[in-house]
Amino acid sequence: GDSVTQMEGPVTLSEEAFLTINCTYTATGYPSLFWYVQYPGEGLQLLLKATKADDKGSNKGFEATYRKETTSFHLEKGSVQVSDSAVYFCALSAGGGSNYKLTFGKGTLLTVNP
Amino acid sequence: DTGVSQNPRHKITKRGQNVTFRCDPISEHNRLYWYRQTLGQGPEFLTYFQNEAQLEKSRLLSDRFSAERPKGSFSTLEIQRTEQGDSAMYLCASTLQTGAFFGQGTRLTVV
Repeated sequence: GDSVTQMEGPVTLSEEAFLTINCTYTATGYPSLFWYVQYPGEGLQLLLKATKADDKGSNKGFEATYRKETTSFHLEKGSVQVSDSAVYFCALSAGGGSNYKLTFGKGTLLTVNP
Repeated sequence: DTGVSQNPRHKITKRGQNVTFRCDPISEHNRLYWYRQTLGQGPEFLTYFQNEAQLEKSRLLSDRFSAERPKGSFSTLEIQRTEQGDSAMYLCASTLQTGAFFGQGTRLTVV
C-alpha cells in the first residue's frame, strides 16, 4: 500500500539556519504530494503541495520539489525563524484531482531557538 | 469563523461508554474526511463523504464506529463501547479542489 517515510525528529536549529526535512514515499501511479504543518494548539494547515513530477511547491519561504526518480519530496527553508517551530507532516494522495484521502508520515518536530 | 469546527475539543469517557463527535465543515465544501491521530504518529484515514454519501471506509473503522453526514452538511462520528485503544485525536477535514482544511480535532481519552 501507499506509505510515507519522513526523517525522525526532533530537529533543533538556531534562528536563520538552513532546514531540510527528508520525505520519501511509496505509491502506485502518480500521487500528489503535500507538506502540512501543525503549530502548537492548532489544526493541520497545508503548507505546500505538488501534483506532478518536477513541480516545486513553495510557501512562506519553504520549498519542496516532487522528484519521481527518487520518490522524494524534501522540505527546505533557507533561513528558519522561531515562529517556524511546529510539527511538519509529509503526505500523499494517490487518488488525484480533488481526492484528499491522505497518507501521512509520522511527523517531524522542529524547534527553532533564538 | 469560516474554518472547520469540531466539538467537543476534549472528551474523557469511561471504557464501554458511547461517544459522539461533531464536525462542521466549511460551508461550500462538499467532501468531508475523518482521520485519527495517535501520539507520535501521523493522521490515519478513517472515512470520507461526498455530500451525504459515505464513499469509503478504512479497515481501521471497526463496526463500533459509525459516521453520518445528514443533508451533506455537518458530520458526526460515533464510537460505541469505547476501548482504551480508541484514545486518540480525531480530526475532520473538508475539501475543495485547492486543498484539505482541517479542524483542530477532538481529543478522546478513554479511562
